[in-house]
Amino acid sequence: QKEVEQNSGPLSVPEGAIASLNCTYSDRGSQSFFWYRQYSGKSPELIMSIYSNGDKEDGRFTAQLNKASQYVSLLIRDSQPSDSATYLCAVNVWGGADGLTFGKGTHLIIQP
Amino acid sequence: GAGVSQSPRYKVAKRGQDVALRCDPISGHVSLFWYQQALGQGPEFLTYFQNEAQLDKSGLPSDRFFAERPEGSVSTLKIQRTQQEDSAVYLCASSLGAGTGIDEQFFGPGTRLTVL
Repeated sequence: QKEVEQNSGPLSVPEGAIASLNCTYSDRGSQSFFWYRQYSGKSPELIMSIYSNGDKEDGRFTAQLNKASQYVSLLIRDSQPSDSATYLCAVNVWGGADGLTFGKGTHLIIQP
Repeated sequence: GAGVSQSPRYKVAKRGQDVALRCDPISGHVSLFWYQQALGQGPEFLTYFQNEAQLDKSGLPSDRFFAERPEGSVSTLKIQRTQQEDSAVYLCASSLGAGTGIDEQFFGPGTRLTVL
């Protein structure tokens, strides 16, 4: 049974600070990892993908992957009120069924 | 089109009715996925197509759920004899490649189904 765990929050972060979102997964065969942002009443929007151990940066976002620890994180620098949303972690097993397994999401609130 | 489109955006059905939900993927995308998202939960995988072939339907919750993609483009998710527990948002996603696991999935706006 593939599982993806996230702290549901809410996680409250002051504007301008770094928001740190964490995710653990159970299937060691997982090879690709994704972070989606979902505003209330909207569909998930892809923010980052990461496939190799280490860090991947894109603008204010940095994804970090540690396969040995089965851990993936998302850092948001210079947090803005518009970053307030639910952040979904998703994983995929290479070569298997390609449906993503999602966590329940972390609700992030950026306080002005 | 520029993105994944879904119709209808909202559907209200009486218990026992059949419904059909449509997904139009991004042009040229080979892979198409259906997910179900309950309130406060992450999306849950239902089924996956590579072109017209349905390669995985392990997530379909019962035999009342049926999906097709006959020409490898538009897909329809059909739910027969709807039940209240079918109320959810149904999301469609597409990706460019042939499901190697590296392809990023892009989601449509979803169809919110309410069964009374």
